Amino acid sequence: NAGVTQTPKFQVLKTGQSMTLQCAQDMNHEYMSWYRQDPGMGLRLIHYSVGAGITDQGEVPNGYNVSRSTTEDFPLRLLSAAPSQTSVYFCASSYSARETQYFGPGTRLLVL
Amino acid sequence: GQNIDQPTEMTATEGAIVQINCTYQTSGFNGLFWYQQHAGEAPTFLSYNVLDGLEEKGRFSSFLSRSKGYSYLLLKELQMKDSASYLCAVREGHTGRRALTFGSGTRLQVQP
Repeated sequence: NAGVTQTPKFQVLKTGQSMTLQCAQDMNHEYMSWYRQDPGMGLRLIHYSVGAGITDQGEVPNGYNVSRSTTEDFPLRLLSAAPSQTSVYFCASSYSARETQYFGPGTRLLVL
Repeated sequence: GQNIDQPTEMTATEGAIVQINCTYQTSGFNGLFWYQQHAGEAPTFLSYNVLDGLEEKGRFSSFLSRSKGYSYLLLKELQMKDSASYLCAVREGHTGRRALTFGSGTRLQVQP
């Protein structure tokens, strides 16, 4: 198993550009989530999904969209990038919401 | 909502024992996790406590007191590779999303 994979590893955007961060898992996990990690603030939940076709907002959802058309994939879309979205983004998955979450390697995003 | 506090930084000596504390305030509790995160890498799961008491896993142990809103991670026989950030995370118990709320992390520096 590859586990949780994320692409790209690094990305530089200009303010106003849009992009999609990819996340995939091959463990047949139902629960997937996106976090952002900023210095001194810990990981904060952006959006999550309890299964294909079901998504919901986390703590800091503004400026981001998600979809879950398959069990394996959970892309995160930045609609119009802002410097405040400069961060490290982690995708995580687990068998269910009750189980331990496993994290992907992260995407480092810089918005100029 | 939830509030999680842990020390920002700690220093310890190779071969010694270190205890990293975590206190939390939550409106609903359904488990506490400890993750290890090396610089530039993804968090990796260390331990999970949902009932009061001590969970031991090799050199690492984690303790929980739900009545006190308190947990600690105990690392024994410290090795240089244990230099990392240690993240305390609490899972909500009363909402469907079962989201994890993370503390800001404790950066541990192990010295020779």
